Amino acid sequence: TQLLEQSPQFLSIQEGENLTVYCNSSSVFSSLQWYRQEPGEGPVLLVTVVTGGEVKKLKRLTFQFGDARKDSSLHITAAQPGDTGLYLCAALSGAGSYQLTFGKGTKLSVIP
Amino acid sequence: DSGVTQTPKHLITATGQRVTLRCSPRSGDLSVYWYQQSLDQGLQFLIQYYNGEERAKGNILERFSAQQFPDLHSELNLSSLELGDSALYFCASSVGGSGGTDTQYFGPGTRLTVL
Repeated sequence: TQLLEQSPQFLSIQEGENLTVYCNSSSVFSSLQWYRQEPGEGPVLLVTVVTGGEVKKLKRLTFQFGDARKDSSLHITAAQPGDTGLYLCAALSGAGSYQLTFGKGTKLSVIP
Repeated sequence: DSGVTQTPKHLITATGQRVTLRCSPRSGDLSVYWYQQSLDQGLQFLIQYYNGEERAKGNILERFSAQQFPDLHSELNLSSLELGDSALYFCASSVGGSGGTDTQYFGPGTRLTVL
């Protein structure tokens, strides 16, 4: 079973600051996904990264997949209160599988 | 709004009881997934159905069972409930079910409290 370690577990920052959260494993992934979950709602997919070294941008969010496809990072520039939520990384358990393994998440609070 | 609906939103029951959680997938989606989210374990995959048939099983207890009906809605049955079963239960749906990178769309969840 793949284990996805996310860090930090909690992060509280001021509006306008930059931040990076990490997702690490000893396993190699065919793809990795990032989700954001707001209180009282289900996770929403932000991005899927597939190629080692891949960088994807979604407005102020930058996602990077490690060269060896074992780790990923999410960088947020100029954080806003609307970025507050639980950020989860997830990976498919194997080829031909739809079973997602999730990390425990980083709980981000952006203070106005 | 993901298009996935779950009922009820909240459920409070006692130990030893049995409950049924319901999920309606997005229109056109054939796969339904069930997940359990607790503070200590995080979000864990329980089971997947594709077009009425079980496709994959995760960390689902024997006390739990699920099915997907011909109209593609799904039910998760939890029996002999224990305090530790208190959690958020999410349903997700996707178009496909046999590989690839289809997006899973999550419902708003059912919060189960066992007293």
